[in-house]
Amino acid sequence: EVHLVESGGGLVQPGGSLRLSCVASGFIFSDHYMDWVRQAPGKGLEWVGRIRNKANSHTLEYAASVKGRFTISRDDSKNSLYLQMNNLRFDDTAVYYCSRRPAASSAGVYWGRGTLVTVSS
Amino acid sequence: DIQMTQSPASLSASVGDRVTITCRASQGISDELAWFQQNPGQAPKSLIYAVSNLESGVPSRFSGSASGTDFTLTISSLQPEDFATYYCQQYHSYPLTFGGGTKVELK
Repeated sequence: EVHLVESGGGLVQPGGSLRLSCVASGFIFSDHYMDWVRQAPGKGLEWVGRIRNKANSHTLEYAASVKGRFTISRDDSKNSLYLQMNNLRFDDTAVYYCSRRPAASSAGVYWGRGTLVTVSS
Repeated sequence: DIQMTQSPASLSASVGDRVTITCRASQGISDELAWFQQNPGQAPKSLIYAVSNLESGVPSRFSGSASGTDFTLTISSLQPEDFATYYCQQYHSYPLTFGGGTKVELK
C-alpha cells in the first residue's frame, strides 16, 4: 500500500527557513516524479513544484511564486522527498502536501496527509 | 500559464441527484486533465486522470468527459460520501494549475 508521510511543518517568522520531509513507502520511490502542493487556510490547491525521477536526472520545475526561495530535492536511498523553504512570507502559510505521480511500475496519483506551515511574527 | 476556470464554485444537491462540474482551460491541454476530491481536513484523493480514466477503486458513478477545452466531471447518482470539494488540474504544461474548486453541499 502506498504511504506518504510529511513532516517538518511548524511556526516560523517571516524571512525564516524550514525544511519539510516526505517519507514514502509501498512503491519504488525512484521510479516516480514527486510533487509538492500547498493549500492556504480555506483556499484551493496550489502546485508548488516537481522533481522528476532518476531516469530523468531529478530535474526540477517550480511555481513562479516560490522559484528562487524554495528548493525541492530527494534521496532515493531513503525514499524521501524534501522541500527547503527559505525567505518565508506570510502568504506561504499553508498545508503542504507531497504527491506521487504515476509511473510504469505503479499507477495512480497519491497524496500524503500534509504538514502545516505557519508564517507569523 | 494555463488558467483553469471551474464552475460552479458551489452547488447544493440531494442524495441520488446527478451532478455536473465543469472546468474550462484557457488553452488546449490535450487530454492531460485530472479530477480530485477533498473532504474537510483531509488530503485530496485522485478520482480521474487523462480526462475520463477512473483511478483504481473509484466508483463507476464518477465519470469524466471533454469537449475541446471544456472538461466535465459527472456524478451520476450522488451518495452521502460524495459531499466534498472537487478540483480539476491540468498537467499539460508547467506550471501545473488547478481549478478553483467546487463544493458540493447537501440541499
